[in-house]
Amino acid sequence: DAGVIQSPRHEVTEMGQEVTLRCKPISGHNSLFWYRQTMMRGLELLIYFNNNVPIDDSGMPEDRFSAKMPNASFSTLKIQPSEPRDSAVYFCASSLPLGLAGVKETQYFGPGTRLLVL
Amino acid sequence: ELKVEQNPLFLSMQEGKNYTIYCNYSTTSDRLYWYRQDPGKSLESLFVLLSNGAVKQEGRLMASLDTKARLSTLHITAAVHDLSATYFCAVDSQDMRFGAGTRLTVKP
Repeated sequence: DAGVIQSPRHEVTEMGQEVTLRCKPISGHNSLFWYRQTMMRGLELLIYFNNNVPIDDSGMPEDRFSAKMPNASFSTLKIQPSEPRDSAVYFCASSLPLGLAGVKETQYFGPGTRLLVL
Repeated sequence: ELKVEQNPLFLSMQEGKNYTIYCNYSTTSDRLYWYRQDPGKSLESLFVLLSNGAVKQEGRLMASLDTKARLSTLHITAAVHDLSATYFCAVDSQDMRFGAGTRLTVKP
């Protein structure tokens, strides 16, 4: 199995531009998570999906951030317009479906996208 | 709001020594995860602890969970250089929250 695939691996853009990050989860994993990692704030859960449906987006920092999962094998995280403070490593992770009472299974992380907004 | 605190944040130890990393959390949960991250790399799942008293071991690492004390420990036995990495605990209580991480350096 190829694992979780993220693209691009690196992105440098200018403030105000739209940024789209992409994720392909492991086949058969019905839960997908987007995280952001910075030195200042550590790892933060932004949003997660179960069976393509957003379950909790309370971690999405602002309306500039949006995420979609149009099918079981693809998700996007979009930032529009981007700002320098959005610079971070963005991880996508996938897992088997949420269990009873929403128990999260072991998550498998992708390699991350390093985003730099100038 | 769920808070997850790890300590120490930085740990430098010699090969062959034992040490424990602690993870405290603020709300009721019986689901705790440990991850490892090498510099510039992604996160790798180490352990999933799903009940009070759960203990899991893999090689030189052993993790335990005390839900009453809201505490998990990651014990390192006879450390080797290959264990140098950052270790994160994460607690799932409706909200998934990670600790700040413990950066472990094992010196020869």
